[in-house]
Amino acid sequence: QSALTQPASVSGSPGQSITISCTGTSSDVGSYKLVSWYQQHPGKAPKLMISDVSKRPSGVSNRFSGSKSGNTASLTISGLQAEDEADYYCYSYAGSSTWVFGGGTKLTVL
Amino acid sequence: QVQLVESGGGVVQPGRSLRLSCAASGFTFNSYGMHWVRQAPGKGLEWVGVLSHDGINKYYADSVKGRFTISRDNSKNTLYLQMNTLRAEDTAVYYCAKDSTSGPIGGDLDCWGQGILVTVSS
Repeated sequence: QSALTQPASVSGSPGQSITISCTGTSSDVGSYKLVSWYQQHPGKAPKLMISDVSKRPSGVSNRFSGSKSGNTASLTISGLQAEDEADYYCYSYAGSSTWVFGGGTKLTVL
Repeated sequence: QVQLVESGGGVVQPGRSLRLSCAASGFTFNSYGMHWVRQAPGKGLEWVGVLSHDGINKYYADSVKGRFTISRDNSKNTLYLQMNTLRAEDTAVYYCAKDSTSGPIGGDLDCWGQGILVTVSS
């Protein structure tokens, strides 16, 4: 149950697109289409943004999209807005009914 | 609307025990698995464990296995986290979270409580 690997920080200007990677192993990300992404603003509870690699829950902007290739999942945010500035965490099924988070990525909107 | 409210946090000495509660409302509690997730100060999220909707199946992260126990009282719409033999590294904000799938545990967490701080210190 080792944490998934994410970049510590990414940044982009308003209107631009950014991508956050999430690297796991063949025991978690690589084996299941069960990767989700959470957004967390300072002092707030996390919010589900993407489930099952690429599905957007109701109410989540279509500027958020997800994908996966091999052991690496990605979250792309297009048309960056100031309100997107937050921490983002990937989360994957890791087998045996256990789950694991990534270390988190701080997104700064310049 | 769906609401989860944690309680029971506070300061506890190393080696002691503490029980957290999570009161649920706004959904059919006994139909959903429930998770605990924690976040150490200034750190990332860590999945702690999950309990199935019927209270039968329980799964834990290696870091808490054997020390923490998740339970639920579906008649009271309440989830619990019993934490024993606490260590300094268990200091964190603890969140309860609702599984997004009715019935079998799906894993996605579609509703979270506001979190409760547990500090393990002498």
